[in-house]
Amino acid sequence: DQQVKQNSPSLSVQEGRISILNCDYTNSMFDYFLWYKKYPAEGPTFLISISSIKDKNEDGRFTVFLNKSAKHLSLHIVPSQPGDSAVYFCAAKSGGSNYKLTFGKGTLLTVNP
Amino acid sequence: NAGVTQTPKFRILKIGQSMTLQCAQDMNHNYMYWYRQDPGMGLKLIYYSVGAGITDKGEVPNGYNVSRSTTEDFPLRLELAAPSQTSVYFCASSPGTASYEQYFGPGTRLTVT
Repeated sequence: DQQVKQNSPSLSVQEGRISILNCDYTNSMFDYFLWYKKYPAEGPTFLISISSIKDKNEDGRFTVFLNKSAKHLSLHIVPSQPGDSAVYFCAAKSGGSNYKLTFGKGTLLTVNP
Repeated sequence: NAGVTQTPKFRILKIGQSMTLQCAQDMNHNYMYWYRQDPGMGLKLIYYSVGAGITDKGEVPNGYNVSRSTTEDFPLRLELAAPSQTSVYFCASSPGTASYEQYFGPGTRLTVT
């Protein structure tokens, strides 16, 4: 039973354009969401997060939007750069969960020069 | 700061053999985690620890054991290795603050044949 779903296995965009990565969740107890980026043969690295009490969080070129009623969040990267090419994981924390995260399957982003 | 370190990077085991995957962190984090990532899948939590001497099962604990005798180290033991345990294993740590961010090691690629 997948509680965090990333329905697009891959996404390809041109350098300079916007990349939009999507994530849906089913567990209404999730109260904190994170995005991780992973390069081949490396561990995931934290990118950006958002609390369920907010609907937007911005950090430089990265913005995460949260739509609680739709149980949907998205990561926007503007402008996209070739170095952004990686697998992006969406993760969620349930309230009172001892800091455990539930991860989606990931989306491979390719940014073409 | 080395962050989270994992050894070995690669290992090939025969069916029925045992081994220990090592994980250490130098950030004085209370929380530590073991995940496995199968091809095309997200990260699945195997075991986690909220402090020295305290461990608990995650989503996929069968076939594994852990111990946490110090804050720094969190080894993962595989007993009687099976082909189904072929995977990439990631160790992570978290300070247990409101950011909920987890810091990952570079991973261990394990093949059981």
